Order: sequence, then C-alpha cells, then structure tokens
Amino acid sequence: EPEVTQTPSHQVTQMGQEVILRCVPISNHLYFYWYRQILGQKVEFLVSFYNNEISEKSEIFDDQFSVERPDGSNFTLKIRSTKLEDSAMYFCASQGDLAKNIQYFGAGTRLSVL
Amino acid sequence: SQQGEEDPQALSIQEGENATMNCSYKTSINNLQWYRQNSGRGLVHLILIRSNEREKHSGRLRVTLDTSKKSSSLLITASRAADTASYFCATANPNFGNEKLTFGTGTRLTIIP
Repeated sequence: EPEVTQTPSHQVTQMGQEVILRCVPISNHLYFYWYRQILGQKVEFLVSFYNNEISEKSEIFDDQFSVERPDGSNFTLKIRSTKLEDSAMYFCASQGDLAKNIQYFGAGTRLSVL
Repeated sequence: SQQGEEDPQALSIQEGENATMNCSYKTSINNLQWYRQNSGRGLVHLILIRSNEREKHSGRLRVTLDTSKKSSSLLITASRAADTASYFCATANPNFGNEKLTFGTGTRLTIIP
C-alpha cells in the first residue's frame, strides 16, 4: 500500500540553526500538508500546499517557516532559525482527492531543539 | 475556542469490552474523521463520516454524528490489545475548504489483556 515517508525520523539541532524536514508524499497525490504536535498536545495544522503554492497557513507558520516541492516528488518544510518551542513531532500528509478528503500521514519527524 | 474536544481523555477497559469515545466541535463541518495514533507514531485514518450522514460502520468501528449537538462518537467493539492507542477526531471546516483538518485533544485508550 502506498505510504507517505518522512525523513529523518529524529532531528536534533541547536537553537538558531536551520532545519529541513523531508517528506515524500504518495505519488499522484495533489494536496500536501504539514502539521505539528507538541508533546502531549493536539495535532495542529501548519500549512497546506497545492499547485506549487501555499493554499492556507496557520498563525504558527510565520516567516521562519517555508515549504517547497523542489522536484515533483519531495515536499519539504524548512525552519530558518529554530527556537526551543519548535520542538515537536512534525507530520506530513498528502491527499489525492478533495472529495474524499482523506489525508494520509507519514510517521513523523521528531524535532528536538537544544 | 477549541475545535474538537474528546472525552474521556483516557479510558482503560478489559480486552473484549466495547470502548466508546466522544468528540464535540464548535463550528460547522463538511465531515468528521477519526484517526488513531500509536505511541510515537503517525496518524492512521480510521473512518470518515459526512455531515449529512448519521452513522457509519467499518469492521469493528461504529461512528455516529449528531450535527445538531455538534458531537460524534466512536465505538470500538470487542476490543483487542492492539487497539491500545490514542484516538483523535478531526473536522474539515467548509469555511476553509476541504483541506485543513482541525484535530481534537484525543482519547488515550488502553486495552488490558
């Protein structure tokens, strides 16, 4: 069964460093998302991406965040200058058909900012 | 305001018993979905119920939706140890299009063998 893959599974970084979280969505899916989950809290929407542009972003997704689909297969989330509060699980999701509205999630990247 | 609050926050039952989890939400929705998350893992889609549906079944899962009360319930029948996980409801809001999912706080289900 096709799946969304995320790498790395765990990323440790120093505060102020840039990180890039990578995702390979399910091929032929058109809609892509990033969510995050701070330990013990609910899953929060960050950004949605369709047709090579952001379709919606949350207030969490400030100027420090950016997304890109550089080569038609990978979907990346970049945090330019990490803060301690960016420590969380980051989930990528992809969706093929808005009418069915089922988003398929990757296993996540645990980001630890020290 | 919080969109999507599950109760109970935690539930422990004996294997073989039925587990019921509830979700309430505040805004209008296109559909409501339930996801499962095993500890430290990703979210697995379980079932989707549309706003014009009242009940849906999938295997041992039964979901109900009451749009007048803005609530949903997830029933897992004949529970198994492998059902131990956190369960989240998520809503798709028509005001944002059928994209962004808003998740609830989750119910941590523990099945005791």
